[in-house]
Amino acid sequence: QKEVEQNSGPLSVPEGAIASLNCTYSDRGSQSFFWYRQYSGKSPELIMFIYSNGDKEDGRFTAQLNKASQYVSLLIRDSQPSDSATYLCAVNTPNNAGNMLTFGGGTRLMVKP
Amino acid sequence: EAGVAQSPRYKIIEKRQSVAFWCNPISGHATLYWYQQILGQGPKLLIQFQNNGVVDDSQLPKDRFSAERLKGVDSTLKIQPAKLEDSAVYLCASSLFSYNEQFFGPGTRLTVL
Repeated sequence: QKEVEQNSGPLSVPEGAIASLNCTYSDRGSQSFFWYRQYSGKSPELIMFIYSNGDKEDGRFTAQLNKASQYVSLLIRDSQPSDSATYLCAVNTPNNAGNMLTFGGGTRLMVKP
Repeated sequence: EAGVAQSPRYKIIEKRQSVAFWCNPISGHATLYWYQQILGQGPKLLIQFQNNGVVDDSQLPKDRFSAERLKGVDSTLKIQPAKLEDSAVYLCASSLFSYNEQFFGPGTRLTVL
């Protein structure tokens, strides 16, 4: 059973601070990693994806991947109240059927003005 | 580029009734997914299509759920008969291929009374 674990939160940070969201996964064969943002009552929206160890930056967002530790994180710099949402970590793992995406339960982020 | 379309957006039925959901993926996307998202949890994959063939339906409750993707484009997901625990948001997603990032439709919120 492939597992993707996230702290459910809520993670509360003040406006302008750095929010750090973490995710661990169980299958060492996992090859690609995605972060989705989901506002209440809305569908998941892709923020970033990362395939290689290290950091990947896109604007205020940085994804970090450490395959040896089976750990992926998302940093949000200069957090804004509009960043308040649930952040879903998703892990893509090859299987006999091709590739399978497994989602974590999500971390709820609250950015306070 | 048009996104993933789903209908209806909301549906309320009584237990033991049947219901069907429709999805139209992003044009050219070969892979289509149906997810079930229960409140407070991450999306759970129900079925994955590659063109018009099923590649993974291991988590689909086949005694009551069925899905098809005729001609490799549109897809329908059916529940018959519905149970109270089927109350959830049903999300459709598509990707170019199974290893690419997935894009989600707006979802269908199902309430079973």
